[in-house]
Amino acid sequence: DAMVIQNPRYQVTQFGKPVTLSCSQTLNHNVMYWYQQKSSQAPKLLFHYYDKDFNNEADTPDNFQSRRPNTSFCFLDIRSPGLGDAAMYLCATGDGLGGEQYFGPGTRLTVT
Amino acid sequence: GQNIDQPTEMTATEGAIVQINCTYQTSGFNGLFWYQQHAGEAPTFLSYNVLDGLEEKGRFSSFLSRSKGYSYLLLKELQMKDSASYLCAVRDRVYSTLTFGKGTMLLVSP
Repeated sequence: DAMVIQNPRYQVTQFGKPVTLSCSQTLNHNVMYWYQQKSSQAPKLLFHYYDKDFNNEADTPDNFQSRRPNTSFCFLDIRSPGLGDAAMYLCATGDGLGGEQYFGPGTRLTVT
Repeated sequence: GQNIDQPTEMTATEGAIVQINCTYQTSGFNGLFWYQQHAGEAPTFLSYNVLDGLEEKGRFSSFLSRSKGYSYLLLKELQMKDSASYLCAVRDRVYSTLTFGKGTMLLVSP
């Protein structure tokens, strides 16, 4: 009965090679978030979707893009990964803005 | 913007009580959340405060003072499985998004 699913759990990519991380949810929540979390640091919000409306955080690099083709799925695209992009990427959903967020298990990205 | 401060690490003994503090400075406050995160896992929701006072939920309680920009999470009857990072997160009034603190790593020993 997984509610927020992230695939893959571990992803290895090469420096500069585009990579896509995926998130799906069975909660039918209208908000989906993507966070980046580096070791021993706080989760940092990259962007979120409220339904189809995309909201980018001001300090999110252009290298990071997102797509939400439907309510259930959301993708994080890293166009040219650098070594500094190695991190855990967390997807979360919410039933409306501002409420409790439900997190997926995360995808740990390694850049070689 | 938001600035959130928590202690980096705390240690406690099984069966004891521990209080994890969080202070924040914010341009617009609309609620404070506490999450638990075990190593390599996703954060899970523990509690939510938007008004001053204490919210109790089993072994876990959370307190908020908006005038002081201060919250704490109180864990009672500590168990080994409570060893985890505890994240304080503040909700922005305008955008309703969360800004997380760096988390407090709690180590419970026998």
